[in-house]
Amino acid sequence: VHLAESGGGVVQPGRAQRLSCVASGFVFSTYALHWVRQSPGKGLEWVALISYNGKDTYYADSVKGRFTISRDNSKNTLFLQMNSLRVEDTAVYFCARDQDGIIPNFYFDSWGQGTLITVSS
Amino acid sequence: SSELTQDPAVSVALGQTVNITCQGDSLRRYYASWYQQKPGQAPVLVFYGTNNRPSGIPDRFSGSSSENTASLTIAGAQAEDEADYYCNSRVRTGYHGVFGAGTKVTVL
Repeated sequence: VHLAESGGGVVQPGRAQRLSCVASGFVFSTYALHWVRQSPGKGLEWVALISYNGKDTYYADSVKGRFTISRDNSKNTLFLQMNSLRVEDTAVYFCARDQDGIIPNFYFDSWGQGTLITVSS
Repeated sequence: SSELTQDPAVSVALGQTVNITCQGDSLRRYYASWYQQKPGQAPVLVFYGTNNRPSGIPDRFSGSSSENTASLTIAGAQAEDEADYYCNSRVRTGYHGVFGAGTKVTVL
């Protein structure tokens, strides 16, 4: 199992950025996936969940209405569209696979290496 | 409440046993999972559910749960176990996740 995030960088407050996570080594379309973030020097924060087929999505209150999680099962790729970025969104963003694909159980059994988003003017 | 509470730091002598606890209302309904994170690295799942250890995780890592408290035990701690440990669970209502603030384990 391999997950690889990309799309990080420095972004101005109020602007948008899209993260990608390319997966390999497993049947991508049968697993729910999450985004988890970690602000510099801080703990982990769950951000969003998408079901195996992309039909159901869920968000942390801190990002709801600004972030959109999506997936392209034909390309084994997970996305996080981040709009109206704030300074407090500065973090390393990890994609993570849910251990139980059909009914998410929030056991994250595989993680990418993370990509850093810095929101700063 | 959707919070999970962990002690900020614990220390353990080399070869001894350490218990890391995690408390929260969500644990009354859902089992916790535990993650080890070393500096500059992604978290690694070390224990989850009722009694599950991922492949490749040493059997000195074990977990337990009672009412609103989950525990991770490292029996015979090794130098390489020095890391931050986070608990996580699904919140009591809805498909949201919550992490504890993490426990820094120092092996003396």
